[in-house]
Amino acid sequence: EPEVTQTPSHQVTQMGQEVILRCVPISNHLYFYWYRQILGQKVEFLVSFYNNEISEKSEIFDDQFSVERPDGSNFTLKIRSTKLEDSAMYFCASRGGTGGYGYTFGSGTRLTVV
Amino acid sequence: GNSVTQMEGPVTLSEEAFLTINCTYTATGYPSLFWYVQYPGEGLQLLLKATKADDKGSNKGFEATYRKETTSFHLEKGSVQVSDSAVYFCALWGVTGGGNKLTFGTGTQLKVEL
Repeated sequence: EPEVTQTPSHQVTQMGQEVILRCVPISNHLYFYWYRQILGQKVEFLVSFYNNEISEKSEIFDDQFSVERPDGSNFTLKIRSTKLEDSAMYFCASRGGTGGYGYTFGSGTRLTVV
Repeated sequence: GNSVTQMEGPVTLSEEAFLTINCTYTATGYPSLFWYVQYPGEGLQLLLKATKADDKGSNKGFEATYRKETTSFHLEKGSVQVSDSAVYFCALWGVTGGGNKLTFGTGTQLKVEL
């Protein structure tokens, strides 16, 4: 069964450093997403990406965040200058069609900012 | 905007016990409703879904019925197993006002003991 692959599974970074989280979505999917979950809190939507541009973003997704699909297979989330409160599990997801079904999530990257 | 409220965990049950995890939602229009499961170290997996009022989603012995009158989508299983230990997330996809994304609850951790 096709999978969404995320790397690394766990990343520790110092406050103020840039970090790039990587995702390889399912190859024939068209819609790509990042969600995050701060420990013990809700899974929150960050951003959606379609047709090589951001289609929607949340309040959380400020100027410190950016996404890119550099080569047609990878989908990356960059945090330019990490803060302690960016520590969370980050989930990538991709979706092939319309509606809420057909989402496939990756296993997540646990980001710890120290 | 859309929101999902789940019962807090952890929920600890003995094997073969009956499970209910409550989920209620607030949304405009007629959302689609989902339960996702996250096993330790893995990503979010779709467990079941319902797309309109009175639909019952079912999978692996789990069931949930879309109740529009009570805005609820409670997850049930008649006899849980140790292998059901995981975190369960209720989520909705809004046709109106929800945008192109899933809205999740906080998740409920289930622990099943022998």
